[in-house]
Amino acid sequence: DGGITQSPKYLFRKEGQNVTLSCEQNLNHDAMYWYRQDPGQGLRLIYYSQIVNDFQKGDIAEGYSVSREKKESFPLTVTSAQKNPTAFYLCASSMAPLAGGPSYNEQFFGPGTRLTVL
Amino acid sequence: KQEVTQIPAALSVPEGENLVLNCSFTDSAIYNLQWFRQDPGKGLTSLLLIQSSQREQTSGRLNASLDKSSGRSTLYIAASQPGDSATYLCAVQETSGSRLTFGEGTQLTVNP
Repeated sequence: DGGITQSPKYLFRKEGQNVTLSCEQNLNHDAMYWYRQDPGQGLRLIYYSQIVNDFQKGDIAEGYSVSREKKESFPLTVTSAQKNPTAFYLCASSMAPLAGGPSYNEQFFGPGTRLTVL
Repeated sequence: KQEVTQIPAALSVPEGENLVLNCSFTDSAIYNLQWFRQDPGKGLTSLLLIQSSQREQTSGRLNASLDKSSGRSTLYIAASQPGDSATYLCAVQETSGSRLTFGEGTQLTVNP
């Protein structure tokens, strides 16, 4: 089955720890994204990557880091510098913006990781 | 800066009703608009995507319209069912890149 997987489903972090959230896709999509969702709020963009070995900051990148060494993988590290990391984290992917076609740029989402700081 | 607003924040209807969810955006220079469904504790499921050159898209009981000049989109759900209960999010993609800007969502409850 094609899709996006995120792991773990639930993650608990102690104060001062760095944690890494996994996101893998087998849709052959070029672009991948990380969003954060807080209760009762819409999604906010953390980082995105349109091609391997390249990524850009979103609206709330402070305290987060990413890498894009492989097309299918886009891990997100939540560092100790992130002051309020408790949230629901969603990964998404899409075809590259210039791929063409009537439904290109449609974003598909993974099931999410819920991170809680203890 | 693009801002997306969804009204109402919550909606409760009896089964069988037709209903409309509203989405407005401040900058009409969008590339496309996407409607999503989110069940509690789950990821987002894409429902419909409307390109900026289109006026509407339909999928089953769902119909989404786009009025780019007025900065509005509506999601029409016909003959609502309890299984439609979820949060519905709209998001716009701006011309300059591939990022999405989301509204805060409408939480829909369909009562049997």
